[in-house]
Amino acid sequence: SQQGEEDPQALSIQEGENATMNCSYKTSINNLQWYRQNSGRGLVHLILIRSNEREKHSGRLRVTLDTSKKSSSLLITASRAADTASYFCATNSNSGYALNFGKGTSLLVTP
Amino acid sequence: ETGVTQTPRHLVMGMTNKKSLKCEQHLGHNAMYWYKQSAKKPLELMFVYSLEERVENNSVPSRFSPECPNSSHLFLHLHTLQPEDSALYLCASSQDLSEAGNTIYFGEGSWLTVV
Repeated sequence: SQQGEEDPQALSIQEGENATMNCSYKTSINNLQWYRQNSGRGLVHLILIRSNEREKHSGRLRVTLDTSKKSSSLLITASRAADTASYFCATNSNSGYALNFGKGTSLLVTP
Repeated sequence: ETGVTQTPRHLVMGMTNKKSLKCEQHLGHNAMYWYKQSAKKPLELMFVYSLEERVENNSVPSRFSPECPNSSHLFLHLHTLQPEDSALYLCASSQDLSEAGNTIYFGEGSWLTVV
């Protein structure tokens, strides 16, 4: 069953700008992950943030987690055309292990 | 290259055909998954295997039949599919099943078209 829900569904920006995507979820979680998918390809893990963490960085990626609001955000700074992809948040299923994904945010970065 | 290989990458089959999708992981992981990705829908978890044992089956129609002969290989056998089953089928693996959460490694997917 779907757990995370990304917002916006689509985002179009120019190279050099920052891109912010949000994820909301319904039930309590152990951690939240962000994945990226290039068109027609598999998903690639980007970053995992645990429920006791508030912010995490990885290169140009910054993820925040607010468990009181059941929401997370993914910020990509200084975006590049190669960042064009769909981005998904994922949380553990009710059974505790397998991940459930949202519909994703489709990001287009134009040169 | 994620260490998870899926074949075939593209498959077109008729509604009366029988075909199989294959997945192999070279990561030494103990858990494997099948996901279905349709346009405009979230990824749907279909099956979960841990140490060759099925641990989750999310109400998937019986025309989809998984098989996990060992911890490195996972198959999805397809029989009398419907056009609405056309989708990208993604195989994935993780080190094990853990409530702390797993990083999942995906294959490139198999594009299935049912005609």
